[in-house]
Amino acid sequence: GAVVSQHPSRVICKSGTSVKIECRSLDFQATTMFWYRQFPKQSLMLMATSNEGSKATYEQGVEKDKFLINHASLTLSTLTVTSAHPEDSSFYICSARIGQSGNTIYFGEGSWLTVV
Amino acid sequence: AQSVTQPDIHITVSEGASLELRCNYSYGATPYLFWYVQSPGQGLQLLLKYFSGDTLVQGIKGFEAEFKRSQSSFNLRKPSVHWSDAAEYFCAVGRNSGNTPLVFGKGTRLSVIA
Repeated sequence: GAVVSQHPSRVICKSGTSVKIECRSLDFQATTMFWYRQFPKQSLMLMATSNEGSKATYEQGVEKDKFLINHASLTLSTLTVTSAHPEDSSFYICSARIGQSGNTIYFGEGSWLTVV
Repeated sequence: AQSVTQPDIHITVSEGASLELRCNYSYGATPYLFWYVQSPGQGLQLLLKYFSGDTLVQGIKGFEAEFKRSQSSFNLRKPSVHWSDAAEYFCAVGRNSGNTPLVFGKGTRLSVIA
């Protein structure tokens, strides 16, 4: 079946550095992917909607210059956390929908980011 | 505004007992409803979904959910809980459109005791 894969699953980076998280749709084309952030013991908060070939749409309060999203192909979206700080430590999850009217949304395994 | 309410933050049930997790939604259009399960440190796994038709939907792992439009509810049920069902459960609502994300409830943590 359809699978969404995220990489890396866990990453530790130093404060001030940047880290990139990849989200791939393995056997389907995803014109739209969504990036969520989840704090411990909390729900998923939508960060941005990633559209292939165009700029991402960010939710209110999400810094677009800090969380760079690139959706360069129909199977890959990337989230880059720039100049990371400890408060950026979180669980980041992407999701993808098949095509424009697919009725199933698949989630990646998530990526744990720890900034030290 | 779109919202999902899961009234129970934490539920503890005995293994073998029945389970019902509550979910209420507020949505301006015809809702598409989902239940996901998340084990600690893991991503989300789809349990079941409702788009139209029969209001009682069957999912994986023996779960089912019933859509009640009059009550704006989509409660998740399982007749006999197993210890492996201990996890976080999220109810979500969305629309059948490629550019709209899901809106999630805050989740219900399920603990299973012997």
